[in-house]
Amino acid sequence: SAVISQKPSRDICQRGTSLTIQCQVDSQVTMMFWYRQQPGQSLTLIATANQGSEATYESGFVIDKFPISRPNLTFSTLTVSNMSPEDSSIYLCSAGQPATEAFFGQGTRLTVV
Amino acid sequence: GESVGLHLPTLSVQEGDNSIINCAYSNSASDYFIWYKQESGKGPQFIIDIRSNMDKRQGQRVTVLLNKTVKHLSLQIAATQPGDSAVYFCAEGGGADGLTFGKGTHLIIQP
Repeated sequence: SAVISQKPSRDICQRGTSLTIQCQVDSQVTMMFWYRQQPGQSLTLIATANQGSEATYESGFVIDKFPISRPNLTFSTLTVSNMSPEDSSIYLCSAGQPATEAFFGQGTRLTVV
Repeated sequence: GESVGLHLPTLSVQEGDNSIINCAYSNSASDYFIWYKQESGKGPQFIIDIRSNMDKRQGQRVTVLLNKTVKHLSLQIAATQPGDSAVYFCAEGGGADGLTFGKGTHLIIQP
């Protein structure tokens, strides 16, 4: 199993600003992903964080809004840019090896005011 | 993930009873399925997984059943305890493309 730490755990941000969320894994992993979970709803995949190359985004998510970095096999960041109240959500980092269970961080609860 | 309403389906069971949580998945090509448990304020926690070449898998107090014909997955929890109260999600995929999550079910354990 992998232990995943996310920072910050929560934040309240002004609209128009940006927030960068960090995800640290305690071991090297092949796959890292970012998900969004809106209040009372299920998880939606934002993108796959690829080590050494640009992230792969799902339909409805774009790099300009959600830039992602993955400089190595244990770390990734997700930035929520030019925030609006509609971006208020829980953002979750996930990591694992292909075709095995994916582990999740505790999430970052973002409120945009 | 799917677009869902603001309120998750709820299943209420008596403590000590067995519970069954159901999930319909969409991709007939999926070959890996997972059940997660999510408690309030926490990230999803892995419970049990199953591959498409199996139709049943058992863990400690939990059993997952897979019916590929009707694209249906279920999670059975035996002798439910108060600590089982949570939201349960099924997910499919698990390869390079990430996971697709189901709608989720809120399990409430009545004393």
